Amino acid sequence: QKEVEQNSGPLSVPEGAIASLNCTYSDRVSQSFFWYRQYSGKSPELIMSIYSNGDKEDGRFTAQLNKASQYVSLLIRDSQPSDSATYLCAVNTRSNYQLIWGAGTKLIIKP
Amino acid sequence: DAGVIQSPRHEVTEMGQEVTLRCKPISGHNSLFWYRQTMMRGLELLIYFNNNVPIDDSGMPEDRFSAKMPNASFSTLKIQPSEPRDSAVYFCASTDRGLETQYFGPGTRLLVL
Repeated sequence: QKEVEQNSGPLSVPEGAIASLNCTYSDRVSQSFFWYRQYSGKSPELIMSIYSNGDKEDGRFTAQLNKASQYVSLLIRDSQPSDSATYLCAVNTRSNYQLIWGAGTKLIIKP
Repeated sequence: DAGVIQSPRHEVTEMGQEVTLRCKPISGHNSLFWYRQTMMRGLELLIYFNNNVPIDDSGMPEDRFSAKMPNASFSTLKIQPSEPRDSAVYFCASTDRGLETQYFGPGTRLLVL
């Protein structure tokens, strides 16, 4: 079983709708959770980090963490074509600055 | 403020040749990571350094790969000899201790013919 799992997609969402991206992890002692966005041919860039159970909002983005269910999600409201990218979930499970990465979900926002 | 700098951005070489990738982390960051990304395997951690010391190199594929960090502002990843299966995008990332957020360089796109 992979340590961090994501649906590879592609996930197709109409413009203006809410895009929901999901990630599960296997290590219960995980402490830190990150969502990175990667445009085609570019490097990953951080969108959100979350450390506590519940929701964390930043503009159109909301990260949700449920440690009991070992589940972290990213919601993108009012999706724009510019949100089309691959979204990578990363988890710190060892408290030594290593991140365990999911394979990424490709998101396509249709105009 | 300059981000993580990598060179070269693109490298095309022939099988058997030595390849050296270079990275300059963000000033003040004391952890540096080398990753490889392919369509098949996604983003893989090869090795990471903390305060210029290699902490975990378990991701290095084999003895053909080596990495050094002679000082806080420079690291190299060397492949010798290179093989076609080494073709990938190689990213360098750095982080400031305690913050965990990793900042990525633009990557080196390597093609081994």
